[in-house]
Amino acid sequence: GAGVSQSPSNKVTEKGKDVELRCDPISGHTALYWYRQSLGQGLEFLIYFQGNSAPDKSGLPSDRFSAERTGGSVSTLTIQRTQQEDSAVYLCASSLLQGINEKLFFGSGTQLSVL
Amino acid sequence: LAKTTQPISMDSYEGQEVNITCSHNNIATNDYITWYQQFPSQGPRFIIQGYKTKVTNEVASLFIPADRKSSTLSLPRVSLSDTAVYYCLVGDGFNTNAGKSTFGDGTTLTVKP
Repeated sequence: GAGVSQSPSNKVTEKGKDVELRCDPISGHTALYWYRQSLGQGLEFLIYFQGNSAPDKSGLPSDRFSAERTGGSVSTLTIQRTQQEDSAVYLCASSLLQGINEKLFFGSGTQLSVL
Repeated sequence: LAKTTQPISMDSYEGQEVNITCSHNNIATNDYITWYQQFPSQGPRFIIQGYKTKVTNEVASLFIPADRKSSTLSLPRVSLSDTAVYYCLVGDGFNTNAGKSTFGDGTTLTVKP
């Protein structure tokens, strides 16, 4: 596709339910990132994938959060037993390669609301 | 991770030049400086990136002094559509990538008619 695609754009769930958020990166991009943005705040790094290497999970806030990337393309971020503090916009980004010169291309995000 | 400090907000008027300064006192030798722009309900969008001195593209200019402890994003002749949040991001080093760094809270620029 032309850009990074995320789905759903909005998700409302009840506390305690599991949710899955999907990210479809730009074709050919080897690096994929997940960020979280709370209302009026900056971006909090969660996890990134680079090719077939093990993902860097250092930003995940708890073991309720996990992510996978299948076939080096589509990624799914899963939040188990959601809590109200998980409410935020979840942004996915991709870049062609891993490196300090690489631009990040972001999707429009998934607005998650936990009631 | 190099921490960045930016003003929380700035106001300007259409047609004026806007300069947003970012402080990054602990920037490492291999770190690049990147600026992103974010509109409501959208993900951030790359504006400009530099290492030292001055970089200019069709959208903005980036000024980086010799000590690299700060940088200034310059937007010439802003319009209402430049109203957005601007993030300064400092890379984490050679073997990692800019995405692993933490975005700060950004600067909310409001352009008035």
